[in-house]
Amino acid sequence: KNQVEQSPQSLIILEGKNCTLQCNYTVSPFSNLRWYKQDTGRGPVSLTIMTFSENTKSNGRYTATLDADTKQSSLHITASQLSDSASYICVVSASGYSTLTFGKGTMLLVSP
Amino acid sequence: NAGVTQTPKFQVLKTGQSMTLQCAQDMNHNSMYWYRQDPGMGLRLIYYSASEGTTDKGEVPNGYNVSRLNKREFSLRLESAAPSQTSVYFCASSPAGLAGNTIYFGEGSWLTVV
Repeated sequence: KNQVEQSPQSLIILEGKNCTLQCNYTVSPFSNLRWYKQDTGRGPVSLTIMTFSENTKSNGRYTATLDADTKQSSLHITASQLSDSASYICVVSASGYSTLTFGKGTMLLVSP
Repeated sequence: NAGVTQTPKFQVLKTGQSMTLQCAQDMNHNSMYWYRQDPGMGLRLIYYSASEGTTDKGEVPNGYNVSRLNKREFSLRLESAAPSQTSVYFCASSPAGLAGNTIYFGEGSWLTVV
């Protein structure tokens, strides 16, 4: 069964600090991995998308890494801001049209 | 740019009532999707439409029907609402399928069935 596990479930950090969120997956055959940011009461917004051959991708202060051998990904947030407070969702796509497996998300709270 | 627009934003239904969630996208995307998001769970696919004129079941289609009215619009209908359908519903679209394409989500529709 395809699964995406994210850790930690929740995290509180001080404004200006860095943090790293983890994603482990057992989706096969792997196609791509995405990170989404979901503000409270809003829809998810895409941060990055990585294919098998990519091991890092950045979007401003967000940097995602992918290790397809160990089936792990991380999302690193640099110099956190209050607006980074949100749920971060890891999503893995298997080859085939409709298959996306969503993680439950990591809830990040950036405290002043 | 509006992107993906869903209506209504909030709705309360009584058990057994019917309703339709509307979704429209202005990005000329071929593929559209309906997901539901429940506490403690990842988003789950209800139905999708790969292109205008086609619809297919996703992971949790029971109790729902969909209509791809045209390229822009994809509606989700609850024929006889049940408390288990209390959830947040997200419509989404992508240029053509999922392979390597960014999926754009609407802002969500909060549905409560009492």
